[in-house]
Amino acid sequence: GAVVSQHPSWVICKSGTSVKIECRSLDFQATTMFWYRQFPKQSLMLMATSNEGSKATYEQGVEKDKFLINHASLTLSTLTVTSAHPEDSSFYICSARPSGAGDLPFGPGTRLTVL
Amino acid sequence: GESVGLHLPTLSVQEGDNSIINCAYSNSASDYFIWYKQESGKGPQFIIDIRSNMDKRQGQRVTVLLNKTVKHLSLQIAATQPGDSAVYFCAEGRFMDTGRRALTFGSGTRLQVQP
Repeated sequence: GAVVSQHPSWVICKSGTSVKIECRSLDFQATTMFWYRQFPKQSLMLMATSNEGSKATYEQGVEKDKFLINHASLTLSTLTVTSAHPEDSSFYICSARPSGAGDLPFGPGTRLTVL
Repeated sequence: GESVGLHLPTLSVQEGDNSIINCAYSNSASDYFIWYKQESGKGPQFIIDIRSNMDKRQGQRVTVLLNKTVKHLSLQIAATQPGDSAVYFCAEGRFMDTGRRALTFGSGTRLQVQP
């Protein structure tokens, strides 16, 4: 089946630094990937839609200059949290859909902790 | 704004019993719904989906019911097992301009299976 991976699984960084998270579709191509954020004991909130070869589409309230998205190939999207602060600590999850499939597989998530 | 929500935050059942998890949605234009299971520290796992032209769909030990009249969705798990313990989310799929779907998640229900 379609598999989505993320790297790293967890990361701890100092406040003010930038962190890059990768999302890969392992056995299929994805022109569109989605980035979600999930705070503890809360639901997943869509942050942005990553489009291969074009600009990402951000949800209302999500700062595009803080959460940089690059969808450089049909199998890779990256999310960079710039100038991270403790309030950015969260579980970041991506998803992608193979063409024609009903499922929308999610990656395993990346736990970000900003000190 | 439009939202997808759940009636019960926590559900505790005995092993072997049937479980029913409920979800209410407010967007009458929604035409696609998915149930996900999320274990602690992991990404969501697809369980079953249903389109608005159906009112019932069955999978292995799971059944999804859709009542468009009252905008209600439910997930039934037969013979609940300890491995079913997790947080369950309903999600509404909406089409983006690219023709791909992004998901809006409900708030989640924690299912606890007592041995």
